[in-house]
Amino acid sequence: AQSVTQLDSQVPVFEEAPVELRCNYSSSVSVYLFWYVQYPNQGLQLLLKYLSGSTLVKGINGFEAEFNKSQTSFHVRKPSVHISDTAEYFCAVSLNFGNEKLTFGTGTRLTIIP
Amino acid sequence: DTGVSQNPRHKITKRGQNVTFRCDPISEHNRLYWYRQTLGQGPEFLTYFQNEAQLEKSRLLSDRFSAERPKGSFSTLEIQRTEQGDSAMYLCASSLSPRRPNTGELFFGEGSRLTVL
Repeated sequence: AQSVTQLDSQVPVFEEAPVELRCNYSSSVSVYLFWYVQYPNQGLQLLLKYLSGSTLVKGINGFEAEFNKSQTSFHVRKPSVHISDTAEYFCAVSLNFGNEKLTFGTGTRLTIIP
Repeated sequence: DTGVSQNPRHKITKRGQNVTFRCDPISEHNRLYWYRQTLGQGPEFLTYFQNEAQLEKSRLLSDRFSAERPKGSFSTLEIQRTEQGDSAMYLCASSLSPRRPNTGELFFGEGSRLTVL
């Protein structure tokens, strides 16, 4: 079975500073990888995804992530954060191309300090 | 608003009572998913439908839980004889069937929060 680990439950960052949110996964087979973001009082929204091909993927709002198969990681980063990036971020994996059954991590709460 | 809609947004009930949640997906989406999220955890998959067919159910979905999607449009999730451990946020999502190279992005509703006293 696959699993996802988000080691940082909370990450405080000053506004305009860079940020990296970490995600490691465990699976014996190939997986599809996702980051979802949940802004306050809103539903989960897809931030970015890795399906195949280039290991560097770009998402919404200036976020990008790099798939590292040897380290089984899919960390997401942004070079300069804004107050509006305050949210909970979830990493997820799927064994299925159609991502019918996502396995989520426990989430990382990103807090931007003005 | 043409997103995924869930009702009610909040439900407080006493242990042993039955509750029902409704999800209205994005109209053209043929797939519908239910997830459960407890405090401090990520969402956990419960079940999903393609049109009216329930294609997969998690072992988390005990006999007290039943989900339906009549006519392949809205869906209901019923919990019978609620227990305090059922307290959680119940999330609904919808998508189109995947077609390479796109996976069929999931669109989530805001969730229905259940509190069992």
